Amino acid sequence: EAGVAQSPRYKIIEKRQSVAFWCNPISGHATLYWYQQILGQGPKLLIQFQNNGVVDDSQLPKDRFSAERLKGVDSTLKIQPAKLEDSAVYLCASSLEDRPDTQYFGPGTRLTVL
Amino acid sequence: GEDVEQSLFLSVREGDSSVINCTYTDSSSTYLYWYKQEPGAGLQLLTYIFSNMDMKQDQRLTVLLNKKDKHLSLRIADTQTGDSAIYFCAESSPSNTGKLIFGQGTTLQVKP
Repeated sequence: EAGVAQSPRYKIIEKRQSVAFWCNPISGHATLYWYQQILGQGPKLLIQFQNNGVVDDSQLPKDRFSAERLKGVDSTLKIQPAKLEDSAVYLCASSLEDRPDTQYFGPGTRLTVL
Repeated sequence: GEDVEQSLFLSVREGDSSVINCTYTDSSSTYLYWYKQEPGAGLQLLTYIFSNMDMKQDQRLTVLLNKKDKHLSLRIADTQTGDSAIYFCAESSPSNTGKLIFGQGTTLQVKP
């Protein structure tokens, strides 16, 4: 079974630029999560999708971050414009709809904002 | 509120047992988790425990839950160098079981 795929693995941009991350969840997983992990901290949930609907985006900085999952499979997370404090690893995870207790994580995208 | 605290660092000798501790604040959490993160990798679910359980054992891993003190621990028996990693404790949000609240992670160093 293929795992959660993310790309790119690494991205370096300058502040005020835009960036987008892509995630392909495990086949059949209706629930998809985006987490932000700042160096030295645990991951923090940014947004949770159930199919193509948003379940929880309470911690997403909506003035600069956006995410979509148009067809209920792949998802993109965008930052526009980026700030220095957005430097982090962005992790995507997925789970079966009725098993939120078992989330599978991708390798993450490491973003550096200069 | 939801908050999870862990000690930052633990060093043990190969073959010894490791005990990683965690405290959490929300007594209505349904699940409590332990994840492992190796350098440059995503998180790997090691084990989890339902909030109505006191203990769970899975091969070399033993999870103990003290609900009264809101304390969770992970014991790794016969620790190996391959166990060196960052270990995260997490609780599920009572309002959304899919939302995980993570601690800051404990770095486990295993010396040969």
